[in-house]
Amino acid sequence: LAKTTQPISMDSYEGQEVNITCSHNNIATNDYITWYQQFPSQGPRFIIQGYKTKVTNEVASLFIPADRKSSTLSLPRVSLSDTAVYYCLVGDTGRRALTFGSGTRLQVQP
Amino acid sequence: EPEVTQTPSHQVTQMGQEVILRCVPISNHLYFYWYRQILGQKVEFLVSFYNNEISEKSEIFDDQFSVERPDGSNFTLKIRSTKLEDSAMYFCASSSTGTGEETQYFGPGTRLLVL
Repeated sequence: LAKTTQPISMDSYEGQEVNITCSHNNIATNDYITWYQQFPSQGPRFIIQGYKTKVTNEVASLFIPADRKSSTLSLPRVSLSDTAVYYCLVGDTGRRALTFGSGTRLQVQP
Repeated sequence: EPEVTQTPSHQVTQMGQEVILRCVPISNHLYFYWYRQILGQKVEFLVSFYNNEISEKSEIFDDQFSVERPDGSNFTLKIRSTKLEDSAMYFCASSSTGTGEETQYFGPGTRLLVL
């Protein structure tokens, strides 16, 4: 099971770009990297998923270097509503269960 | 956009009582999950369910827990005899293929408080 390490918390201001980096040194060849967002008292919400290089959707971008030992979630121009906990998950091939770490608590201030 | 729904949103029960938490997964999904999150702690996997049987369960999912898909739309989690430490948010999730790269969609959760 690939273990992930990400900062416990980050602070930002509205309108700034936020980059949250996750380390996953023992990622397996078939593992995907997935990011979820969780607001207080709500279920996790899928943000983005990738395998290598760069993935972009309407919410975020995910940068994955060639060695895939880390990944960076990029949130462009954050707003107050982006205040949440962000989880980096690395898929364990063959297992369907998601393993959540402690996540990164992002606080966006006006 | 289709979503997973859960009922009730809150449940208060006495220790030793049975509770049933209900979920309606996204309609064309085939894999169903239960997770829980104790206040201030991580989201923990409990069980996954496919083709009317448990496909995987964690060590948390002991004999006090059971899951069922009683009809074509509902997916339930039963706790037979609740303990104080069962107090948590319980999240249901569903996915269409159940493979590592497939997105799991989570419901809003049921907050269970055991007194």
